[in-house]
Formats: sequence, C-alpha cells, structure tokens
Amino acid sequence: QVHLQQWGAGLLKASETLSLTCAVDGGSFGGYYWTWLRLSPGKQWEWIGDINYNGATNYNPSLESRVTISIAQSKYQFSLDVRSLTAADTALYFCARGVGYHVPWFDSWGQGTQVTVS
Amino acid sequence: QSILTQPPSASGTPGQRVTISCSGSTSNIASFYIYWYQHLPGTAPKLLLYRNDLRPSGVPDRFSGSKSGTSASLDISGLRSEDEADYFCATWDDALSGPVFGGGTKLTVL
Repeated sequence: QVHLQQWGAGLLKASETLSLTCAVDGGSFGGYYWTWLRLSPGKQWEWIGDINYNGATNYNPSLESRVTISIAQSKYQFSLDVRSLTAADTALYFCARGVGYHVPWFDSWGQGTQVTVS
Repeated sequence: QSILTQPPSASGTPGQRVTISCSGSTSNIASFYIYWYQHLPGTAPKLLLYRNDLRPSGVPDRFSGSKSGTSASLDISGLRSEDEADYFCATWDDALSGPVFGGGTKLTVL
C-alpha cells in the first residue's frame, strides 16, 4: 500500500516561492505520473502538473511559466516550486500518484498542505 | 467556474439512493473516461470510480457510475452516514490538453 506524505511552508507572501515536497512510501516509484493538484477556496480543482520517474514533466499551460516539478529518485520524493506567488495561488495543495498518461486517475493522495499567500 | 458542472449539494436519508451528476462537453466527458473522487475535508481525496464505472479494491459496490454522451453520474445506494463528503468528477479535456474537474457536490446524509 503506497503512502504519500507531503510537507512545506504554508504561509507565504506575494512574490515569494512556494516549495512543497512529497515522499512516496511503499509501492513502485517507476511507471507512474507523480502529480500536483490544488483546490482553491472557491472549491475549484486545478491540475498543476506531473513528472515521471525519468524526469519528464507536463505542466498546466496556465501555470507553466511559474512552476517547476522535480524528482529525487534515490529519496523517493518529488517536489513542486511555484514562483512569483499571488493571492490567487492560495489553495489546498495535494500530491498524488497518477496511474496513466493524460488521465486524471489518481489512486493515492497526500494529506494536503494549506498554502496561504498574503 | 469549473469546466465540468456538478450540483453544489445533494442529500438523502440513510438507506436511500442518491445520484450526483457531472455534465461536460464533447471535448471532455463524451470523449474520455470519467473518474470520481470522495473528499472529506481535512483528509486525502479517495478514488471511488475509474474508467466510468470500475471500483478500486475496497470501494463498496454501493457506489456505481455511468456515462452517456456529455454527462456522467455517480450513484450511491444504501446511503450511510459515513458517505457524507464532497464528491467530484474528473476527466481529460482534448481542447484544453489537460485534466478538468467538476466543482464538487457536497453530500449531506440527513
């Protein structure tokens, strides 16, 4: 049974950079799409992007210019950086394991990190 | 505004059957599989159904799904108090080249 544990700073100021990390415990690290999503205060889900074991990334075009997703295979971790934060980035951020390419099939999720940008 | 449209709320009494709809378009629901998630605030979302109507191991058969054209639905039969949660749908959108989501339906068990 895979378990995702995420962490990172939750209170940030506008123009700062958000950094979150997700650790994968159990299961295979390869063969999946390690994904970041967020849920806005208005209850809108948004896919941020994903990365596979080889480091290939896919990003939401609306966020791509400010987002970097990276992976540390030896640590079984993947990370999210979001630069130039604004209040619109305030949301509940989740990491998740994506089962397929180009499908919102996430079979395991982190517990979520509330990020507030002031 | 979410790309996929769900009713903001639904309710039922224990034992009843509840249906939650998810409406989209030809570029998303009509063309791709739908996925359903259950989310209790403060916890990790849980995959309920994948590929329209398949249940992951551990999900009770009280949860079922269907899809027709540009709409999909999640049915919950034999409603239980622990089913009280937010439910949201998701699929791929060809026009946007990315996953799209419903705005979620808050289910209340009266």
